[in-house]
Amino acid sequence: GDSVTQMEGPVTLSEEAFLTINCTYTATGYPSLFWYVQYPGEGLQLLLKATKADDKGSNKGFEATYRKETTSFHLEKGSVQVSDSAVYFCALIATDKLIFGTGTRLQVFP
Amino acid sequence: DAGITQSPRHKVTETGTPVTLRCHQTENHRYMYWYRQDPGHGLRLIHYSYGVKDTDKGEVSDGYSVSRSKTEDFLLTLESATSSQTSVYFCAISDRPPGLAGGSGGELFFGEGSRLTVL
Repeated sequence: GDSVTQMEGPVTLSEEAFLTINCTYTATGYPSLFWYVQYPGEGLQLLLKATKADDKGSNKGFEATYRKETTSFHLEKGSVQVSDSAVYFCALIATDKLIFGTGTRLQVFP
Repeated sequence: DAGITQSPRHKVTETGTPVTLRCHQTENHRYMYWYRQDPGHGLRLIHYSYGVKDTDKGEVSDGYSVSRSKTEDFLLTLESATSSQTSVYFCAISDRPPGLAGGSGGELFFGEGSRLTVL
């Protein structure tokens, strides 16, 4: 079945460091891919998305590129801030359900 | 922010008691979902609704039932709570079907969650 695999957390970084959170997927057909973010004490909110191969989603300085050849959708940010501390979820839709990965906690220290 | 209210936000109950969680939306969105969030599992879909009185099971529906008698309300009921149902429950809404071409069906708006502890 369709699934999403994320790197284990937590990811701990100093402010202004470069961030990569890995995400790979398994799906039949051509899924749309998403990154959601969950700030402490809140629900999830959509961060960015890509709907076809080679698309790049971007928002708030975060980017992710849909790589069909490696079935990946890694999240990157060039310079993280303390306010980016949150849990990040990779997700996909291939048919009719949104399927989430297990989440990766990011902790950014000043 | 999308108008989604979950109640109660926190609840502690005992094994074997019934529990109902309520999701109320003011967005008039057709599609509503209940997820549970557990460490190591991410979010898993319990039940969903594509309209009034139109509900279906997700991947972890055992022990749960839902009802949707009005567009704005989606109720999740644990008929007899068990300790394995201790979790954080999230309601989500969307105005588009999930499989909509272009991926816009994946844009869900989430409530703030309801933390349930079953002793």
